[in-house]
Amino acid sequence: DTEVTQTPKHLVMGMTNKKSLKCEQHMGHRAMYWYKQKAKKPPELMFVYSYEKLSINESVPSRFSPECPNSSLLNLHLHALQPEDSALYLCASRQIGQGSYEQYFGPGTRLTVT
Amino acid sequence: KNEVEQSPQNLTAQEGEFITINCSYSVGISALHWLQQHPGGGIVSLFMLSSGKKKHGRLIATINIQEKHSSLHITASHPRDSAVYICAVISGGSNYKLTFGKGTLLTVNP
Repeated sequence: DTEVTQTPKHLVMGMTNKKSLKCEQHMGHRAMYWYKQKAKKPPELMFVYSYEKLSINESVPSRFSPECPNSSLLNLHLHALQPEDSALYLCASRQIGQGSYEQYFGPGTRLTVT
Repeated sequence: KNEVEQSPQNLTAQEGEFITINCSYSVGISALHWLQQHPGGGIVSLFMLSSGKKKHGRLIATINIQEKHSSLHITASHPRDSAVYICAVISGGSNYKLTFGKGTLLTVNP
């Protein structure tokens, strides 16, 4: 299994809603990433987890709250988002080890905040 | 901070043409990703390169570490190759963060 899955594929939420994005992989990767991608721009890194611990937070607003409950699963909890947070949210994973550079990306969740 | 430049930004080709997309970076790297993203879609990793050349089907990627340059070639291009191609470099350090180029939008017309 060389796949990263993300659910839901599409999400529309109001500014007062609370929702969560889910990412899952069963490749035994111990590094997992959240990226945000606006239209016609490259992805921007949000968070990195290594061995289920948050290792990088790229100064992301607290209305985005990541969680890594186990080595296969990564969540992104959303609360009180703004319309400018509408974007494609991508998850990726990577094996940890010498020379293990390749990141495997999921298909993304397209989020619209109304 | 590594600066990643891709060229061209936009490329239109006729089906069957040979395509080259270039990527240059400013600081030495551990590895380089070539990624593909279809409109509205997710990202697919095409190649991970640390040196030399890799080939997969009609796609060929090369890297010259000394010149800090990589190329992605597509032979016998097809309309289904129409996508954004993104170069991303890994400069080592903790967590192997990717630095992305701005992407090249390729359109292959039948």
